[in-house]
Amino acid sequence: DQQVKQNSPSLSVQEGRISILNCDYTNSMFDYFLWYKKYPAEGPTFLISISSIKDKNEDGRFTVFLNKSAKHLSLHIVPSQPGDSAVYFCAAGGNSGNTPLVFGKGTRLSVIA
Amino acid sequence: DAGVIQSPRHEVTEMGQEVTLRCKPISGHNSLFWYRQTMMRGLELLIYFNNNVPIDDSGMPEDRFSAKMPNASFSTLKIQPSEPRDSAVYFCASSLAVLVREQYFGPGTRLTVT
Repeated sequence: DQQVKQNSPSLSVQEGRISILNCDYTNSMFDYFLWYKKYPAEGPTFLISISSIKDKNEDGRFTVFLNKSAKHLSLHIVPSQPGDSAVYFCAAGGNSGNTPLVFGKGTRLSVIA
Repeated sequence: DAGVIQSPRHEVTEMGQEVTLRCKPISGHNSLFWYRQTMMRGLELLIYFNNNVPIDDSGMPEDRFSAKMPNASFSTLKIQPSEPRDSAVYFCASSLAVLVREQYFGPGTRLTVT
């Protein structure tokens, strides 16, 4: 049973427009959420995170929104750039003991120039 | 710091052979994680260590898989015997502690078992 779901395997966006990547989770114990970005032949790199006590966190062109009641988070990239083309993983973690992160399957974003 | 180092970057082996993947975490990081990435299952956690001690190996698919962390700067993931369905990219990641959420990933080892 997937606890973290990214239902869109791929997304194409025009350069300069907004990219919105979505993620849903099922475990109410998750209290910390992260987005990772992965280029081909490289490992995932941390992009941005949000704690469950917040509903929004912004870092430059990247903003993560959290809707706890819907168990849904999204990553907004504005404006999108060709260099943003990558696979984006959503991850979630809980605060109970040694609980590691659970990752979604990823969404491949293509930003078209 | 050099980041998480993994070797080899690519491994091609025949079914039945033993495969050993290696990882050097970032110095000072106390937690180490082994993941496997496949198209079907995405990024799966296989096992993780805290202060060199295995904490949870429930993600290890079968007894053919084993992992060790003999010291704070080195870990291995071994598959013996290997099978074609083990073909995947294997990532090692480290973090300051398990509850420090930001993990730093190595470049991965692409394993192909023929």
